[in-house]
Amino acid sequence: AQKVTQAQTEISVVEKEDVTLDCVYETRDTTYYLFWYKQPPSGELVFLIRRNSFDEQNEISGRYSWNFQKSTSSFNFTITASQVVDSAVYFCALSDPGGANNLFFGTGTRLTVIP
Amino acid sequence: EAGVAQSPRYKIIEKRQSVAFWCNPISGHATLYWYQQILGQGPKLLIQFQNNGVVDDSQLPKDRFSAERLKGVDSTLKIQPAKLEDSAVYLCASSLRGVGTEAFFGQGTRLTVV
Repeated sequence: AQKVTQAQTEISVVEKEDVTLDCVYETRDTTYYLFWYKQPPSGELVFLIRRNSFDEQNEISGRYSWNFQKSTSSFNFTITASQVVDSAVYFCALSDPGGANNLFFGTGTRLTVIP
Repeated sequence: EAGVAQSPRYKIIEKRQSVAFWCNPISGHATLYWYQQILGQGPKLLIQFQNNGVVDDSQLPKDRFSAERLKGVDSTLKIQPAKLEDSAVYLCASSLRGVGTEAFFGQGTRLTVV
């Protein structure tokens, strides 16, 4: 069965600090997809990144970077030089293509960036 | 490009009443999802449509919840009768294809059952 664990419930950092959000997943599939979504106070889930299980290259997009390690079943997300606008709840999700491509979400990490 | 539209944004009803939510996905997106997000939790899939057919409704409490997607575009989700534990945000999402494609979410409908 698919499972996504985000052990950090809440994190607070001071503006300009770096912060890493952890995500550990479980799946029996050999082919799967991992996602990160941001949920600001407005409530809409905003897509950040998708990674398939065959691509372990880390990715950087501006201040955001993602570290995918199959050996530890982790897909961690780092924000460099955090800003107040980064304050939101961040969700890691796993997609099961062997089933119906549903997204299984973790419980989320609430990030607060203090000015 | 217009995003996923949902209405209403907020709804307060008494338990045992019925309620309906509406979703208009992004144009051309074949797959539509309804998720339930209880406060402090991640979204949980209720039902997934591919065009106007149901792909997965295993998590839908079918004794009280129903959903349809007529003509493979708009969708409605209904709860009848509502229970207190149905208080949640109901999120609609759509994706272009199936496997591995990202889903785009609407702003959700916040339901409070009193």
